[in-house]
Amino acid sequence: DAKTTQPPSMDCAEGRAANLPCNHSTISGNEYVYWYRQIHSQGPQYIIHGLKNNETNEMASLIITEDRKSSTLILPHATLRDTAVYYCIVRGRRSSVNRDDKIIFGKGTRLHILP
Amino acid sequence: NAGVTQTPKFRILKIGQSMTLQCTQDMNHNYMYWYRQDPGMGLKLIYYSVGAGITDKGEVPNGYNVSRSTTEDFPLRLELAAPSQTSVYFCASSSTSGATLGEQFFGPGTRLTVL
Repeated sequence: DAKTTQPPSMDCAEGRAANLPCNHSTISGNEYVYWYRQIHSQGPQYIIHGLKNNETNEMASLIITEDRKSSTLILPHATLRDTAVYYCIVRGRRSSVNRDDKIIFGKGTRLHILP
Repeated sequence: NAGVTQTPKFRILKIGQSMTLQCTQDMNHNYMYWYRQDPGMGLKLIYYSVGAGITDKGEVPNGYNVSRSTTEDFPLRLELAAPSQTSVYFCASSSTSGATLGEQFFGPGTRLTVL
């Protein structure tokens, strides 16, 4: 089972900020929050990740609550090209993959950008 | 860099046939992964490898085999194809160092149908 809970779908008007929530109430201290998106029929694309501080890059901002039980991905000025499924993933150390640290993609949030 | 490349893009198999899905990356990444994605679902990890000569099972390994003889290549083998293996298969790789530490880079996918 995925370690995260996301709404199945959301709408956002073009040009507005898209705020995508994610609950990860069982996150442990050494686990990171990653966000990926998947545009139709393509491979997933990395967006951003964080541990406990808020992060920003050229694509998006990531806001993590102080208790780390939830986070929000913000696309500041959504365009039609941002229509995609967005996956919030919790995983262990950035460089580790082992039997106890499987990377699990849930069903994600299908974001529709409305013209 | 070509990134992660996968061949073939599409394939139709008959029940009981076998095939190998090819995956190559030119980024000198240590970690490589195979995922499958069923229609409307998230990605499920089949197998992964943390380096040449080392492979391990993911969430759904049954019916598949992998090998990792070089850093660049991570082929996925289906020995006796079954309709339940109809899916889109994604290969990914990640680095254990540098600016992209922990970020997974995905290939374009192989769409497999078993009839």
